[in-house]
Amino acid sequence: DAGVIQSPRHEVTEMGQEVTLRCKPISGHDYLFWYRQTMMRGLELLIYFNNNVPIDDSGMPEDRFSAKMPNASFSTLKIQPSEPRDSAVYFCASRPRTTDTQYFGPGTRLTVL
Amino acid sequence: AQSVTQPDIHITVSEGASLELRCNYSYGATPYLFWYVQSPGQGLQLLLKYFSGDTLVQGIKGFEAEFKRSQSSFNLRKPSVHWSDAAEYFCAVGAADNFNKFYFGSGTKLNVKP
Repeated sequence: DAGVIQSPRHEVTEMGQEVTLRCKPISGHDYLFWYRQTMMRGLELLIYFNNNVPIDDSGMPEDRFSAKMPNASFSTLKIQPSEPRDSAVYFCASRPRTTDTQYFGPGTRLTVL
Repeated sequence: AQSVTQPDIHITVSEGASLELRCNYSYGATPYLFWYVQSPGQGLQLLLKYFSGDTLVQGIKGFEAEFKRSQSSFNLRKPSVHWSDAAEYFCAVGAADNFNKFYFGSGTKLNVKP
């Protein structure tokens, strides 16, 4: 299996621009998670989905952030408009319903200038 | 409130030496504890986990961790470190009845001297 796939791996954008991060979970996994990693706050859960339905988005920092999962094999995290404080590494993870282990993608390093 | 503290930001050990990474947690219910490793440019990989039973758990790559309820600790150990162990290590705590919401520590970056 290819593992969790994230794209792009690196993104540099200017303040005010829209940013879309993409994730393809492992096939057959029922849960998908989006995390943000920063030096100041460490690794934080932003939102997670079960069978494509958002279950808990309490970690989404503000309305500029939105996440969707239109089907079982694709999810997006969108930031509009982006701000310099959004600069971070964003991880996607997935897990099957039969285990507690989450499998992480390689992350997308976002830099907002 | 739930929290995880990893007091050591950076640790350097010599190859072949033993290693202990500290983790203290605060959790109101029965904790579910994890250690993950993150190699440069990679996502997090699960090393080991503890929910119940034997308080000494074995993981992959020769790592083990010991749960001490009285000290609210879950320290990670390895008897002999290899250069390939250089990475960042994260401790996490979650609820035993919810596998979806984990709280991560800030990480400990391990350097290995030849």
